[in-house]
Amino acid sequence: GAVVSQHPSRVICKSGTSVKIECRSLDFQATTMFWYRQFPKQSLMLMATSNEGSKATYEQGVEKDKFLINHASLTLSTLTVTSAHPEDSSFYICSAPPPGLRGTQYFGPGTRLTVL
Amino acid sequence: GENVEQHPSTLSVQEGDSAVIKCTYSDSASNYFPWYKQELGKGPQLIIDIRSNVGEKKDQRIAVTLNKTAKHFSLHITETQPEDSAVYFCAASGPGGGADGLTFGKGTHLIIQP
Repeated sequence: GAVVSQHPSRVICKSGTSVKIECRSLDFQATTMFWYRQFPKQSLMLMATSNEGSKATYEQGVEKDKFLINHASLTLSTLTVTSAHPEDSSFYICSAPPPGLRGTQYFGPGTRLTVL
Repeated sequence: GENVEQHPSTLSVQEGDSAVIKCTYSDSASNYFPWYKQELGKGPQLIIDIRSNVGEKKDQRIAVTLNKTAKHFSLHITETQPEDSAVYFCAASGPGGGADGLTFGKGTHLIIQP
């Protein structure tokens, strides 16, 4: 079945630094990928839609200059959290829709970000 | 935008009994309704989904029903087992197909008592 991977699975960084998270579709191509954020014991909230070859679209309230998204190829999207602060600590999860299954999304395993 | 309500937030059932989780959605244009199971520290895993042209779908012990008129859909798990314990999320997606992100419910923590 369709597999989505993320790297790293866990990252700890100092406040003020930038962190890059990778999302890959391993056995299918994805012109669109999605980034979600999940705080402890809460639901997933859509942050942005990553579009291959064009700018990402961000949900209301998500700072585009803070969460940089690059969809460099049909199998890779990256999320960079710039100038991270403790309140950015969260579980970041990407998803990708496999071709031919309208609406379906497969999720990556998530990246746990802790900002000290 | 879409709003998805999910109930209950916690559900405890005896092993072997059935569990039902209910969701409602607000946008009548939504046409895709997946259910995800999430274990601690892991990404959500798709367990079953239903599209708006279908009223019911079943996969072994798991079934989903959809009432488009009332804008609600439910997850049914029969013969529950300890490994069913997890957090379950319902979600809804709009008519954009793969171009739409999902709007999630707040989740249900399902506890299977041995």
